[in-house]
Amino acid sequence: AQSVTQLDSHVSVSEGTPVLLRCNYSSSYSPSLFWYVQHPNKGLQLLLKYTSAATLVKGINGFEAEFKKSETSFHLTKPSAHMSDAAEYFCVVMGYGGSQGNLIFGKGTKLSVKP
Amino acid sequence: EPEVTQTPSHQVTQMGQEVILRCVPISNHLYFYWYRQILGQKVEFLVSFYNNEISEKSEIFDDQFSVERPDGSNFTLKIRSTKLEDSAMYFCASSPLPGGSSDTQYFGPGTRLTVL
Repeated sequence: AQSVTQLDSHVSVSEGTPVLLRCNYSSSYSPSLFWYVQHPNKGLQLLLKYTSAATLVKGINGFEAEFKKSETSFHLTKPSAHMSDAAEYFCVVMGYGGSQGNLIFGKGTKLSVKP
Repeated sequence: EPEVTQTPSHQVTQMGQEVILRCVPISNHLYFYWYRQILGQKVEFLVSFYNNEISEKSEIFDDQFSVERPDGSNFTLKIRSTKLEDSAMYFCASSPLPGGSSDTQYFGPGTRLTVL
């Protein structure tokens, strides 16, 4: 069965410093992995996705993630945090339970950005 | 940019009452989903829907739940007799393609359901 584990429930950084949000996955298959972000009172927005092409995936708003099979990791990074990055971030793996592919979410990491 | 919308944003109901949560998926999408997130817990898959029938459902999606696409734009989740443990944020999502390596599910802002 597929699963993801987000290693930090809360990460706090200062504006202008790097962001690292950690995610490990478990999958019997070559996984499809995603990062979604949720700002307060907003829907879940796709940041980026990995679908077995390039291992370094670039997303919106300067975020990127690297798929490392040897470490079963898919950590999300950004070189320089902005105040608008404060939100909750979800690491997600696609399940294989059906032809339409339900998404399996991690518990989320809340990112705080200090001025 | 087209987006998924959900109404209401917050629904308060008494235990045992029926509720209907409404979603308007992106107009050219064919696959529809409901997820829920109980406070402090993970977002969980409930059901997927395609071509006017359920494609897949989780163990959570028991006989108290039903989904419907009553017209060309709305996608609804009905909970027949709400329980306290149904209190959660419910997310609707849609995608243009079936599940697989290339699709993306687009989510609405959610409906917060509170059962008293």
